Amino acid sequence: NAGVTQTPKFRILKIGQSMTLQCTQDMNHNYMYWYRQDPGMGLKLIYYSVGAGITDKGEVPNGYNVSRSTTEDFPLRLELAAPSQTSVYFCASSYGKGQGTGELFFGEGSRLTV
Amino acid sequence: AQKVTQAQTEISVVEKEDVTLDCVYETRDTTYYLFWYKQPPSGELVFLIRRNSFDEQNEISGRYSWNFQKSTSSFNFTITASQVVDSAVYFCALGRRPNTGNQFYFGTGTSLTVIP
Repeated sequence: NAGVTQTPKFRILKIGQSMTLQCTQDMNHNYMYWYRQDPGMGLKLIYYSVGAGITDKGEVPNGYNVSRSTTEDFPLRLELAAPSQTSVYFCASSYGKGQGTGELFFGEGSRLTV
Repeated sequence: AQKVTQAQTEISVVEKEDVTLDCVYETRDTTYYLFWYKQPPSGELVFLIRRNSFDEQNEISGRYSWNFQKSTSSFNFTITASQVVDSAVYFCALGRRPNTGNQFYFGTGTSLTVIP
């Protein structure tokens, strides 16, 4: 199983550019998340989704947008990149509802430098 | 409000020593889930354990063991006979029930260095 797949793994952006981080999972998980991890820091939640068509803001949503048109895909869009968005981004998924709260399955991370 | 505190920012031990990583959580939920993740220098996040709030049994997996105490809201992680490969950042996390959004709350992590 591929699990959670993120692309690209590395990207350098100029200030003001836009880009989309792709994330797809093949585990049929209803919950998906985007986190960022700044150097030497913990994980901060950017956006999450509880199912196709439903998204919600996390702790640090400013400067980002998401969509969830299918169960499998949860892309993160950065609009007008700023140096403060230099970070490592992790996509994750988990199961929920009747099975309780399962562990997060993480992608390998995407290192973004602005 | 939910919160996870990992008070130990950095720990260094000599190989073969035992080490305990502390995790204290705050929640008013009666049903919740606790997790530990390992982040080695390569950067990926590796799941170690999941525990629900109704199961206070300690767990042992090889050199790893976890002590869950609801009375002190703690979920501590012990590595016995540490090895260099245990060097990593370890994160404790609290997960809420699915009907509350299935959100997770992470501690700031403990960086463990095992010196050969």
